[in-house]
Amino acid sequence: GIQVEQSPPDLILQEGANSTLRCNFSDSVNNLQWFHQNPWGQLINLFYIPSGTKQNGRLSATTVATERYSLLYISSSQTTDSGVYFCAPVDSGNTPLVFGKGTRLSVIA
Amino acid sequence: GAGVSQTPSNKVTEKGKYVELRCDPISGHTALYWYRQSLGQGPEFLIYFQGTGAADDSGLPNDRFFAVRPEGSVSTLKIQRTERGDSAVYLCASSLNRGYEQYFGPGTRLTVT
Repeated sequence: GIQVEQSPPDLILQEGANSTLRCNFSDSVNNLQWFHQNPWGQLINLFYIPSGTKQNGRLSATTVATERYSLLYISSSQTTDSGVYFCAPVDSGNTPLVFGKGTRLSVIA
Repeated sequence: GAGVSQTPSNKVTEKGKYVELRCDPISGHTALYWYRQSLGQGPEFLIYFQGTGAADDSGLPNDRFFAVRPEGSVSTLKIQRTERGDSAVYLCASSLNRGYEQYFGPGTRLTVT
């Protein structure tokens, strides 16, 4: 099955800093989602982005399916951005999301 | 509108006991998924329902695990003869149809003592 690698595994930011999280995947995908898992464990949908670029406030994401990667940009980070960010593509021909190990982000005031 | 809900939020059981975990998907969503998340890991797929039928159960770890969705809405994940290794957070997700964006519930934290 598809392999998903996220980097960096851990990231500490000062409040107000910008960051880029990367997701590499090993095979072609039908779609891809980015999630933020908050400290209470809830998975919050950020983007549904099989290809192209989308923006939502301080967050944006880009997926280049032909090169098998996706990027999540966080600008002007806030302490509430802390948590784990997961990338989860769907293998072509299949249905379930395949999750990476995530990037653990800590934003310090 | 209401999101995906799961009950109970926490379940502590003794090794060898039987447990049932419930998932209420978003109204109108035909696809329902169960995942399991161990500490420090991303969620792992267990089973996917399209309507009432299990379309893909390739992620179920063994035959102690079973899930049903008899009326195409609520689903129950059933675990027989629980083992300590079954301890994890069990997550349910739903989507409008196959291939659409998936939305997750808050999870059930299962602890087997």
